[in-house]
Amino acid sequence: DTEVTQTPKHLVMGMTNKKSLKCEQHMGHRAMYWYKQKAKKPPELMFVYSYEKLSINESVPSRFSPECPNSSLLNLHLHALQPEDSALYLCASSRLAGGSTDTQYFGPGTRLTVL
Amino acid sequence: GDSVTQMEGPVTLSEEAFLTINCTYTATGYPSLFWYVQYPGEGLQLLLKATKADDKGSNKGFEATYRKETTSFHLEKGSVQVSDSAVYFCALRSGNTPLVFGKGTRLSVIA
Repeated sequence: DTEVTQTPKHLVMGMTNKKSLKCEQHMGHRAMYWYKQKAKKPPELMFVYSYEKLSINESVPSRFSPECPNSSLLNLHLHALQPEDSALYLCASSRLAGGSTDTQYFGPGTRLTVL
Repeated sequence: GDSVTQMEGPVTLSEEAFLTINCTYTATGYPSLFWYVQYPGEGLQLLLKATKADDKGSNKGFEATYRKETTSFHLEKGSVQVSDSAVYFCALRSGNTPLVFGKGTRLSVIA
């Protein structure tokens, strides 16, 4: 089983709202990732968690707040977003954060629209 | 830094045509190479991978060979179907660095 699940599938929020995106994997992977993907572009890395600790933050604005409560779950808390934050948010996991041969498995994504 | 260059799309083919999507890379060290596919409205799915020179990855009729001498990992399929219409991303990973993606190539297959 190489499944990464994400909820919700779609999310519409106002600029003053607080919402959270959720990601789950049960493959025993110890690295989890958040990506942002705009239309007709490749995914852009936002955050990397390794063994439930934040290891990479790609200079993401503080209105995005990641959380890794345990090795299977990854959240992305959203607050005071801007319309330009509207995008597809993808979660991924891999066995380890390091190691070039490890495959990253992606979830189906959450389509976020900020009004 | 590491980079991946893919042929620009969109690529439009008739059903049963031969497909090639070119991918070349620049990397320090010895990267692993990946092809991911993204169907409309979905996330990325791993299509195939190769972890060392001369390895051939294959899946669902798609193939790509890791060519170190030409720093290439071209994706091929002998006979495409309408259901292959999607965006294809070439990617590499070298050492402890995150995945590096190409810009993606949109493929449209018409019946």
